[in-house]
Amino acid sequence: DAGVIQSPRHEVTEMGQEVTLRCKPISGHDYLFWYRQTMMRGLELLIYFNNNVPIDDSGMPEDRFSAKMPNASFSTLKIQPSEPRDSAVYFCACRSGGQSDTQYFGPGTRLTVL
Amino acid sequence: GQNIDQPTEMTATEGAIVQINCTYQTSGFNGLFWYQQHAGEAPTFLSYNVLDGLEEKGRFSSFLSRSKGYSYLLLKELQMKDSASYLCAARTGANNLFFGTGTRLTVIP
Repeated sequence: DAGVIQSPRHEVTEMGQEVTLRCKPISGHDYLFWYRQTMMRGLELLIYFNNNVPIDDSGMPEDRFSAKMPNASFSTLKIQPSEPRDSAVYFCACRSGGQSDTQYFGPGTRLTVL
Repeated sequence: GQNIDQPTEMTATEGAIVQINCTYQTSGFNGLFWYQQHAGEAPTFLSYNVLDGLEEKGRFSSFLSRSKGYSYLLLKELQMKDSASYLCAARTGANNLFFGTGTRLTVIP
């Protein structure tokens, strides 16, 4: 298995532009999570899906952020319009069912908004 | 609210033992995870405790005391490759992981 795949790995954009981050989870893992990591705040959960349905989006910072999961093998996190304070590393993670099952993280997308 | 405290940085010598502490205050606590994260890489799973006590896995062990809101990660026979950040995370509810900001461990020769 290739593990969790994220693209792009690096993104540099200008303030006001739309940014779309992509994630392909491990096959058969029906939970998908989006996290943001910064030096100041550490790793923060933004939103998670179960069987393609958004379950908890309370961590999404504001309306500029949106996430979708149109099928079991693909999810997107979109920021529109982007701002410099959105600069961070965005991780996608997934897990299968069960209470003790760990989350497997993708390599992350390093976003820089100028 | 939710809070996790762990030291920001630690330094230890190759071959030694180091203990990284974590205290947490969360609602709906449902287990404690430790992840390792090398610079520029994704976090990777190390251990999971849901019951009080010590879980040993090779050179790494993790301890949990639910009544004290306290956990530690013990690394034995330190190697240079153990230099990384170690993230403590509390599971709240069924799926939410609340992470601390991590402890950056530097192993010196």
